[in-house]
Amino acid sequence: IAGITQAPTSQILAAGRRMTLRCTQDMRHNAMYWYRQDLGLGLRLIHYSNTAGTTGKGEVPDGYSVSRANTDDFPLTLASAVPSQTSVYFCASSDSGGKLFFGSGTQLSVL
Amino acid sequence: DQQVKQNSPSLSVQEGRISILNCDYTNSMFDYFLWYKKYPAEGPTFLISISSIKDKNEDGRFTVFLNKSAKHLSLHIVPSQPGDSAVYFCAASDGDMRFGAGTRLTVKP
Repeated sequence: IAGITQAPTSQILAAGRRMTLRCTQDMRHNAMYWYRQDLGLGLRLIHYSNTAGTTGKGEVPDGYSVSRANTDDFPLTLASAVPSQTSVYFCASSDSGGKLFFGSGTQLSVL
Repeated sequence: DQQVKQNSPSLSVQEGRISILNCDYTNSMFDYFLWYKKYPAEGPTFLISISSIKDKNEDGRFTVFLNKSAKHLSLHIVPSQPGDSAVYFCAASDGDMRFGAGTRLTVKP
């Protein structure tokens, strides 16, 4: 049972480079989310998608974009990475009851 | 503006004793509250939840209490076990889910 799969597990990136974090789910959940976790700030929502073909902005969307071409995949793109985007990124999906199911995370360092 | 606050970054308790993790919120529209548990190098996993129509929900060693008038919820773990050592996130939802900063619980053998 995979649930949510994220790739890569970790990445070191030079500032200014473009990066796409991948997320795939096999639970057929309609809603998917991207969060970043920072010390002292908890989990903050970057972008979300309520269903395939739709996306929305969360609390901290600047510098990030997402797409939702199908139910299973929800990639997060940093068009031009900056050091403040150093963080741990979690992809999640939610069931009809509103519970979130998270991937194992991507540790991203922007130098 | 953090709508969900966990004011204790860390908590240490002895094995077998009670662990009490606290969470405060500011948005009175929140109607669903959850606790997630996170181990290092893993994603958060759902632990227990409570709807705003209840004031208590119990699942084994874990009990969540909700005090709507005080906008406060707490997670009780009894008895605490070393395997409970993790970061615990409080979350609240009014359709949008907001998370607290987390509390790192250490249960000492």
